[in-house]
Amino acid sequence: GESVGLHLPTLSVQEGDNSIINCAYSNSASDYFIWYKQESGKGPQFIIDIRSNMDKRQGQRVTVLLNKTVKHLSLQIAATQPGDSAVYFCAESRGGRRALTFGSGTRLQVQP
Amino acid sequence: DAGVTQSPTHLIKTRGQQVTLRCSPKSGHDTVSWYQQALGQGPQFIFQYYEEEERQRGNFPDRFSGHQFPNYSSELNVNALLLGDSALYLCASSLERGLSHNEQFFGPGTRLTVL
Repeated sequence: GESVGLHLPTLSVQEGDNSIINCAYSNSASDYFIWYKQESGKGPQFIIDIRSNMDKRQGQRVTVLLNKTVKHLSLQIAATQPGDSAVYFCAESRGGRRALTFGSGTRLQVQP
Repeated sequence: DAGVTQSPTHLIKTRGQQVTLRCSPKSGHDTVSWYQQALGQGPQFIFQYYEEEERQRGNFPDRFSGHQFPNYSSELNVNALLLGDSALYLCASSLERGLSHNEQFFGPGTRLTVL
């Protein structure tokens, strides 16, 4: 079946650098995309979302880019901090307030 | 403002037993979704409840069932437990009458271990 996938299982960056986490999706009908952060022992925490009628959305230190042509989603974290160390998931939803389909996650490790 | 709460935190069962997990949604939310997260994997959608009815269901067997109460809280029941049911079970809540997108708030999860 169709699913959301991630390119890299682990990403290691230096503190202060920018991080980019990538995600590919396969369903062109997906209309809503979300990035979640999950720390050990906790549930996923919403970071930022984007609708399919947008290409870019910015939050505090985070930016999500959506390329519908190649079905690609990315999360950019500026000035990465040790507190950003976690597993990051992209997720998609089709048609509004329904099931989220998650990828397998990317572990971000921030080196001091 | 209370967030999503789940109970119990941890649970150990043996194969063949039955288990009930509980979830209280974020204050003001009316929709509850359940997800199963195996170790090292992303969460997988089990089902969603709205107005006390199952509105959408993922690819899970009938051994997985649920309920939503008038106060919007919810239970997840799993019968005839298998070793493969060991996972973190996450509850997420959202507001049906909110913005058109689908921001779901997750609880801390219940860690189920089946021996």
